[in-house]
Amino acid sequence: AQSVTQPDIHITVSEGASLELRCNYSYGATPYLFWYVQSPGQGLQLLLKYFSGDTLVQGIKGFEAEFKRSQSSFNLRKPSVHWSDAAEYFCAVGRSGAGSYQLTFGKGTKLSVIP
Amino acid sequence: GAGVSQSPRYKVAKRGQDVALRCDPISGHVSLFWYQQALGQGPEFLTYFQNEAQLDKSGLPSDRFFAERPEGSVSTLKIQRTQQEDSAVYLCASSPNIAGVSYEQYFGPGTRLTVT
Repeated sequence: AQSVTQPDIHITVSEGASLELRCNYSYGATPYLFWYVQSPGQGLQLLLKYFSGDTLVQGIKGFEAEFKRSQSSFNLRKPSVHWSDAAEYFCAVGRSGAGSYQLTFGKGTKLSVIP
Repeated sequence: GAGVSQSPRYKVAKRGQDVALRCDPISGHVSLFWYQQALGQGPEFLTYFQNEAQLDKSGLPSDRFFAERPEGSVSTLKIQRTQQEDSAVYLCASSPNIAGVSYEQYFGPGTRLTVT
C-alpha cells in the first residue's frame, strides 16, 4: 500500500528565510506526487505536481520541489518565505488501479512565519 | 470561473441523526472524489465517481456512509445514524480527467461536520 510521511508536524521560520518541507513516500511504481496548501477554512490548493521528466518542478507562489527516487523523497522548497505562506502543507501520492485515482496524503506540516 | 462548491459549510448533528452533504463540481469535470479530514490529519479517500458510476468506494468507513452522483454532476454524501467519530471536514474534489492524464484534483472548501 502506498503511504506518505511528513516528518515535521510544525515548522517556524522568519519572513525572508528559506524553507524546506520534507516528504517521503512509499509506492511500488513510479509515483505521481503533489504538494497542496491549505489555509484555515479553505480547501486544498495545488502548489505543484510531478508525473515524469525533469525531477525539479516549479509551482505557484515561488515554490519548487525535487523528486529524488533514490531517497523516495519529494521535498518542497522556497528561497524566501512571505508571511502569507503561513498555512498547512500536504504532500500526496497518486496511484491508479481498479479504476480509481485517489490521492494518499501525509498528515501535513503546519508552517508558521515570524514577521 | 466557479470552483468546486460544497454545502452546507458547517453542520452540527446530534448523534443518531442522518446528514446529507452536497458537492457541486466544476462544470464538465468527469471525476469526483470525496475525502474525510479528521482534526490534525491529512485528507483520507472515501469514494470516487467517474461520471455517474461509483468506481471505488473502498474508503467508506462503514455501511452508514453512502454517496451518489445520479446525473454525473452534483454529488451527495449521506451519513446515516451519525456517530461522534464521524466529526470531520468532508472534502469534495473534481478532475477533468480520467485514466492516465494529469488527474489534477480541484478541491472545494469542505463541510465541517460536528456530531454532538
